[in-house]
Amino acid sequence: GAVVSQHPSRVICKSGTSVKIECRSLDFQATTMFWYRQFPKKSLMLMATSNEGSKATYEQGVEKDKFLINHASLTLSTLTVTSAHPEDSSFYICSATPGGGGETQYFGPGTRLLVL
Amino acid sequence: RKEVEQDPGPFNVPEGATVAFNCTYSNSASQSFFWYRQDCRKEPKLLMSVYSSGNEDGRFTAQLNRASQYISLLIRDSKLSDSATYLCAVNKNSGYALNFGKGTSLLVTP
Repeated sequence: GAVVSQHPSRVICKSGTSVKIECRSLDFQATTMFWYRQFPKKSLMLMATSNEGSKATYEQGVEKDKFLINHASLTLSTLTVTSAHPEDSSFYICSATPGGGGETQYFGPGTRLLVL
Repeated sequence: RKEVEQDPGPFNVPEGATVAFNCTYSNSASQSFFWYRQDCRKEPKLLMSVYSSGNEDGRFTAQLNRASQYISLLIRDSKLSDSATYLCAVNKNSGYALNFGKGTSLLVTP
C-alpha cells in the first residue's frame, strides 16, 4: 500500500518556539493532504486541507496564522506551529490522497508535540 | 449534534466473542464511510470501507443504513490482537476530508 512519512516523530520544545512538521508521500503523488490533530482520548480533528500549489483550507476555529501550511510539491506538505504554547501539545497526523481520484486516505505515523 | 457519533465503549469481550459497534452520522449528503483501527499512540489504519450493499472481509462485516444514517462493524471470533480503538469516519461535505468519531475501545481478554 501507499506510504506516508512524517518527520519528526516526536518533538519537545520550549514555549514560544516554532515547530515544523513534514509530511511526505513516498510512493505516490498527493495533490491533497490533510492535517489532523488528536488530543488524548479524543478523536482526530481535521485542521486543514492542503492543496498542492494553492492555499490551504482551514477548518473553523483553526488559526491559519498560527498553523502555517505549505504544500510546495506533490509529495510534501509542511505544517509549522508558530509560537507554540503548552496547549498546542498534541498528536499531529497527516494523511494523503493519491492524485487522479480515489478516496482512500493514507495516514502518516504522526508527530507527537510537547511544548514546555 | 456531533457530526459522527459512536458507541461510548469500552467493550471488554472474551476471545471468540462476537462484538458489534455502531456509528451515526449527521450529514445526509455524505457518500464515503470507513472504519479505521487505531492502536495506542499510533496513527489510524484503514480497516475497511463501507459500501451500501454491506461488505465483509474475513471476520469483519460492515453495514451501511443510509435511511437511518448509521454504519456498523461486526467482529466475529474476536482475537486478542483485535484489541484497539475503532474509529468510524465519514467524508465531510463533498470532498475527501474525513470527520471521525471519538472511537470505541475494544479489549479482548483471554
